[in-house]
Order: sequence, then structure tokens, then C-alpha cells
Amino acid sequence: AQSVAQPEDQVNVAEGNPLTVKCTYSVSGNPYLFWYVQYPNRGLQFLLKYITGDNLVKGSYGFEAEFNKSQTSFHLKKPSALVSDSALYFCAVPDSVGGSQGNLIFGKGTKLSVKP
Amino acid sequence: ETGVTQTPRHLVMGMTNKKSLKCEQHLGHNAMYWYKQSAKKPLELMFVYNFKEQTENNSVPSRFSPECPNSSHLFLHLHTLQPEDSALYLCASSPLGREGDTQYFGPGTRLTVL
Repeated sequence: AQSVAQPEDQVNVAEGNPLTVKCTYSVSGNPYLFWYVQYPNRGLQFLLKYITGDNLVKGSYGFEAEFNKSQTSFHLKKPSALVSDSALYFCAVPDSVGGSQGNLIFGKGTKLSVKP
Repeated sequence: ETGVTQTPRHLVMGMTNKKSLKCEQHLGHNAMYWYKQSAKKPLELMFVYNFKEQTENNSVPSRFSPECPNSSHLFLHLHTLQPEDSALYLCASSPLGREGDTQYFGPGTRLTVL
């Protein structure tokens, strides 16, 4: 079965420092991998996704993610964090069981807190 | 904005009330989804519609009843809910409901059941 894991409930970073939000995956075959962000009292916003090709995927708001097949990881990164990046971040992978290919399986989320 | 709207944004209802949540997407997508997001729990997929046909019902209690009259509109009819149904209900859409499709979410309806 497809799954993703976000090992950290919360990540704390000082503004201006680089940030990393971790995600590991377990899939059969070649994975599609997604990152979403949720600001307070809002829906999820798509940040980026990996399909194939370059292992470094660039997305919205200066975020990028690195696909690492040997470590089965897809960590989200940003070189310089902003206070406005404080939000809940979700990693996701398609549910490829049966006819459910379009459905996504989400991690439990990681709360990012960026302090001034 | 993502092109997916949800109304109302907030809803308070008693356990004997009947209400409906509405979702509309302006993206020309063919698949639509209802999710439930509760505190301290992972996002739960409730229902999936693909080309107006329901393709997924994740063991959701019958007090939740979805309706998809066309590819742009999705409703969630609520009746005799329980306090534990209080949550953020999110609607999403995707182009074709196929593997690798990106889902686009609405802002959600915050539901409180008294």
C-alpha cells in the first residue's frame, strides 16, 4: 500500500535560516509526490509535485523539494525562512490501489513555526 | 484563490438540523472530492466523484449524503449529525481523477455541531 510519513509534528526555525520539512514515502513503482501548505482557517494550497526527471523540484513561494530514491525521501526546503511561512505542511502520494489512482494519501502534517 | 469556492464558510447546527454544504469549481475539472479535517487527525477522504459518478465512499456514515449534479458542483447534505462530526470540511477538484493529478482545494467549511 502507498503511504507517506512526516516524522516531525513541529519544526521551529528562525527567520532567515534555511528550513527543511521531512517526508518519507513507501510506494510501488515510480512515485508521484506532492507538497501542500495550509494556512490557519484555510484550505490546502498546492506547492509542488514530483513526477519524473530532475530530483530537485521547484515550487511556489520559493520552496523546493528534493526527491531521493535511495532514502525514499521527499523533503521540502527553503533557503531562507519567512515568518509568513508559518503554517501546516502536508506531504501526499497517490493512492494507486484499484481504481483510486486519482485519490491522494496525506501525511499527518508538520507545523512549521518561523520566529522573527 | 484556487478557483474552488465553498459556502458557507462557517456553520453551527444542532443535532436535529438538516443543512447542506456547497462546493463549486471554476477550473473545468472532472473529479471532485470531499475531505474531513479534524484536530489531531490526518485528512480523511470521504467521497469522490469522477465525471459526476461516485467512485469512492470511504465508509462514511449515512448521515452524510453527497450529491454531484454536474462536474462543477458538489454538495454535502447533513442530517442528524453528532458533536464528533464537528470539523473542517474541505472540497477539492482535479482535472481527470487520474494518478498524478493535482488536487485544488477550497477554503473549507468550519462545521460545529452542538
